[in-house]
Amino acid sequence: DTAVSQTPKYLVTQMGNDKSIKCEQNLGHDTMYWYKQDSKKFLKIMFSYNNKELIINETVPNRFSPKSPDKAHLNLHINSLELGDSAVYFCASSQMTGEYYGYTFGSGTRLTVV
Amino acid sequence: QKEVEQNSGPLSVPEGAIASLNCTYSDRGSQSFFWYRQYSGKSPELIMSIYSNGDKEDGRFTAQLNKASQYVSLLIRDSQPSDSATYLCAVNKNQAGTALIFGKGTTLSVSS
Repeated sequence: DTAVSQTPKYLVTQMGNDKSIKCEQNLGHDTMYWYKQDSKKFLKIMFSYNNKELIINETVPNRFSPKSPDKAHLNLHINSLELGDSAVYFCASSQMTGEYYGYTFGSGTRLTVV
Repeated sequence: QKEVEQNSGPLSVPEGAIASLNCTYSDRGSQSFFWYRQYSGKSPELIMSIYSNGDKEDGRFTAQLNKASQYVSLLIRDSQPSDSATYLCAVNKNQAGTALIFGKGTTLSVSS
């Protein structure tokens, strides 16, 4: 069973289109995240949700809108895609258990905007 | 000042040697520190976590933390070609938060 699963794995689309990436975790974690990894491999946080509530919203264009229907799911919708949105998007989840709360990452979604 | 800084490398070591990876962070309120390994085209995987000053050992890996100097390091003993990857240092965003801020990673190459 995949702990954190993202779909799709690859996404190629044209500029101006709208697309969504889905993420689901079966670990029972209470916090989920979206990260963007650019071509230079820099992993940058975009959003964090705790029990369906938005906790962190970094400086991200408002074309990006996360949605968490329940604590096991965190989707990312992107409007009016631009070339600069091309990157790998990782979903992750974590749980505070004592002091340990390392992330479990999904396998990533490689988005290519042409 | 960047929040989490690492040398990008590449760091090249021969098989069997000790690889030393370093990281500094800017937020003195950070309490939790992690090392992730990322192979090309794969997602990051957690290899070490450390919360207290000093050393923490797990197999061939040793994490070292010095909060006064805002410094975290990872030592890999008996380096293997399979250790060749990018190593990401991560620090929690603030005292109460669980969000992690990542460094840009150090690429390690172990030659056989």
